[in-house]
Amino acid sequence: QVQLQESGPGLVKSSETLSLTCSVSGGSISSYSWSWIRQPPGKGLEWIGYIYTSGRTNYNPSLKSRVTVSVDTSKNQLSLKLSSVTAADTAVYYCARHGSSGAYYWFDPWGQGTLVTVSS
Amino acid sequence: DIQMTQSPSSLSASVGDRVTITCRASQSISSYLNWYQQKPGKAPKLLIYAVSSLQSGVPSRFSGSGSGTDFTLAISGLQPEDFATYYCQQSSDTPRFGPGTKVDIK
Repeated sequence: QVQLQESGPGLVKSSETLSLTCSVSGGSISSYSWSWIRQPPGKGLEWIGYIYTSGRTNYNPSLKSRVTVSVDTSKNQLSLKLSSVTAADTAVYYCARHGSSGAYYWFDPWGQGTLVTVSS
Repeated sequence: DIQMTQSPSSLSASVGDRVTITCRASQSISSYLNWYQQKPGKAPKLLIYAVSSLQSGVPSRFSGSGSGTDFTLAISGLQPEDFATYYCQQSSDTPRFGPGTKVDIK
């Protein structure tokens, strides 16, 4: 079964770029679409963006100007870059695979998540 | 932009109770509605997709219903492992989650 593991710096300075990687094992990253989702401490879930199998991306309008999601098929990895971070970007960041049936899609499974703290 | 609300925001229940959580969309999302369970310190887990389809491995005491703007997650016969926070999520357009409903022990 597929497993996802997020990795990256746990501490990022304000105004810099947050960069995370999601390593996929147990399946080909090329076969599915993928999303990044985040959760500020003690708060709810916010979708960040996804990448389709075609390579087309779609981002949360509130983050669109700062987000890049990409896939490295040679490494079977998904990546997230979020520029110009502020304290409001402090959160647990999750990667998730899309399950789908026709036009319906959902997030399953999820990685365990990685906490990123933005410091001033 | 479709907004999601959930009610109640929290509830207290006992083992064996039947619990229902409501999710409402600000406009019709047809059947593009999923439910997740999250326990403290853990990633969310998919319970139900497309309103009422039970994810493989999820106990049959979980069920979903609704269409358009109003949806319900029901847990019949609450078990100790069901105490968690539940989120609905729409996939009709830009994915958005509801604010969550925390189910704790009475």
